[in-house]
Amino acid sequence: KAGVTQTPRYLIKTRGQQVTLSCSPISGHRSVSWYQQTPGQGLQFLFEYFSETQRNKGNFPGRFSGRQFSNSRSEMNVSTLELGDSALYLCASSQGAGGTEAFFGQGTRLTVV
Amino acid sequence: QQQVKQSPQSLIVQKGGIPIINCAYENTAFDYFPWYQQFPGKGPALLIAIRPDVSEKKEGRFTISFNKSAKQFSLHIMDSQPGDSATYFCAAYATYKYIFGTGTRLKVLA
Repeated sequence: KAGVTQTPRYLIKTRGQQVTLSCSPISGHRSVSWYQQTPGQGLQFLFEYFSETQRNKGNFPGRFSGRQFSNSRSEMNVSTLELGDSALYLCASSQGAGGTEAFFGQGTRLTVV
Repeated sequence: QQQVKQSPQSLIVQKGGIPIINCAYENTAFDYFPWYQQFPGKGPALLIAIRPDVSEKKEGRFTISFNKSAKQFSLHIMDSQPGDSATYFCAAYATYKYIFGTGTRLKVLA
C-alpha cells in the first residue's frame, strides 16, 4: 500500500507570491490534515478535512487555506508569502473515525526568500 | 489547556540503555495518545499509540505507560540502539486534531 505522497518536496518562493501544496492520502483514508513544522514552534496544526469538509482549523491567518477533493486528495494554499512561512509542511492521512492512526508524508520544504 | 508538555528536550544514552521520554497534558478531552519518531529530512513516523483506558502498551522495544489520573504518559525504549537516534514527539488527539509535544532529541551512543 502506498504511503502519503506530498508534492513538491522542495519549493523556493519569493515574498508576496502564493504557493499550492498537494497531498495524496493512503488509499481508503478519508481524513487529511496539515501541519506546519518549524524549529521554533514545532508541529502546529493547520486544518483537517474529511469527505471534502473542513472539520477543524488551527490558529493561522486567513492566508492559509485548504481544500479536499472527492478522491480525498488535498491541497493547501498560502497566499502573500512571508519570510516566516518558511517551514516544513506536513500532511497526515487517517481513516477519519476520530483518534485513529495518522500517517505522515515526507513533507514539503518551503523556503521564502 | 491545549498544550502537551514534553521532557526532556534532549537525551543521550549508551547502547542498550532505556531512554524514557515524558509528556503531560491538561485537556481531559484528549482520547488518543500516539508517539512519533522523526529522522532528519523525513516526516514523523507513527511508533505506538494508546487510549486512556489502558495503562500500558508494548510493541516490540517500545512501551507506553499511561497515568490517567496524573494526566501523564511516557515512552520507554528497551535495549536502545544507535539507529534509534532521532527526534521523538508525543501527541494528544481531540476534535480532529493532534497537539504535539515540543520533541525530544535522542542520541544513542554505540
